[in-house]
Amino acid sequence: QKEVEQDPGPLSVPEGAIVSLNCTYSNSAFQYFMWYRQYSRKGPELLMYTYSSGNKEDGRFTAQVDKSSKYISLFIRDSQPSDSATYLCAMFSGAQKLVFGQGTRLTINP
Amino acid sequence: KAGVTQTPRYLIKTRGQQVTLSCSPISGHRSVSWYQQTPGQGLQFLFEYFSETQRNKGNFPGRFSGRQFSNSRSEMNVSTLELGDSALYLCASSSGLAGAETQYFGPGTRLLVL
Repeated sequence: QKEVEQDPGPLSVPEGAIVSLNCTYSNSAFQYFMWYRQYSRKGPELLMYTYSSGNKEDGRFTAQVDKSSKYISLFIRDSQPSDSATYLCAMFSGAQKLVFGQGTRLTINP
Repeated sequence: KAGVTQTPRYLIKTRGQQVTLSCSPISGHRSVSWYQQTPGQGLQFLFEYFSETQRNKGNFPGRFSGRQFSNSRSEMNVSTLELGDSALYLCASSSGLAGAETQYFGPGTRLLVL
């Protein structure tokens, strides 16, 4: 069983929809949680970084962490075609060793 | 501030050869981590270097090695290449001074082994 599970999709939604992306994890030592966005042929870029359980909002993006359930989510409101990318959850326990989910390929249709 | 740069961007090698990839971190960053990305396994951690010393290591065979120079630039070497080594190799940099920090990724080197 992988330490971090993420549905690879693909996920296709119409422009303006709310998108929900999720990851589950098994290692209770994970304390720091991130969401990266990766466009085709590019490196991952950091979208959200959270430490504690709860919600963190940044513009159209909201990251949610539930440590008791070992479950994290990323919500995208008013989705745009430019949001089409692969979204990767990542987490670590403190050492500089990120553990990634498989990534979810998202397409926003105009 | 310039981002993380990686060279070369694309590389084609044949089985049995060796390859060296280079990464220049963001100015002032002393930690460089390397990751392998494949469609089947996703992004997997290879190793991390801080102040010229390997500080963390993933579960890859000894054919994968790295080093870091005094200017924080890092190189990764893969010897005796196998077909399964075809992947996007990403490096990420951070200051390395705190226990949990944002890592900034470069564009990657796409390696194809024939």
